[in-house]
Amino acid sequence: SHELTQPSSVSVFPGQTVRITCSGDVLAERYGRWFQQKPGQVPLLVIYQDSERPSGIPERFSGSSSGTTVTLIISGAQVEDEADYYCYSAADNNWVFGGGTKLTVL
Amino acid sequence: QVQLVQSGAEVKKPGASVKVSCKASGYTFTGYYLHWVRQAPGQGLEWMGWLNPTTGGTNFAQKFQGRVTMTRDTSISTAYMGLTRLRPDDTAIYYCAFNTGTTNYWGQGTLITVSS
Repeated sequence: SHELTQPSSVSVFPGQTVRITCSGDVLAERYGRWFQQKPGQVPLLVIYQDSERPSGIPERFSGSSSGTTVTLIISGAQVEDEADYYCYSAADNNWVFGGGTKLTVL
Repeated sequence: QVQLVQSGAEVKKPGASVKVSCKASGYTFTGYYLHWVRQAPGQGLEWMGWLNPTTGGTNFAQKFQGRVTMTRDTSISTAYMGLTRLRPDDTAIYYCAFNTGTTNYWGQGTLITVSS
């Protein structure tokens, strides 16, 4: 089965840029997506197709991809960006999630 | 607007079974595979499997095979996820969800608590 690996935690100061990586073999052939989840809330899609941003998501959220790694980039992080972030991909319609990264905005 | 509305929270004893419903509205129910994802307290997202609402076909994560069922009633645009032989570590929020090309929709989640 496929696996996706993310760091368990990352921290950033307000206004700075933070990158969260996600690695897995499936990403060499399939797009990655990123979800943001705040406590008590349903996951919110912030990036799809490696680097596309859904409508309504702030421009400070972007994504990139290289080989078997996708990266979520938050440029000018805000306090309200503090949340858990999950990468995700799909192979043959089967979903696979990364373990999640807790982002702390110091 | 697209909505996935799930059934309410339940408390079950170990060994029991549970069935969670997910009623869809605002889109063509048979247009997208419906997935079930769970999240244990303080833990990450765990994919359980998918249901093809058109054919009723299913595919489950290996971890849940033999314990999970996913069915649907197209006449009322509702999907169901059943889990048998419940254990305390099945305590989690269970979500139904689906993807389109550019976005993703989730139910509000159903808390299933397994406790003696």
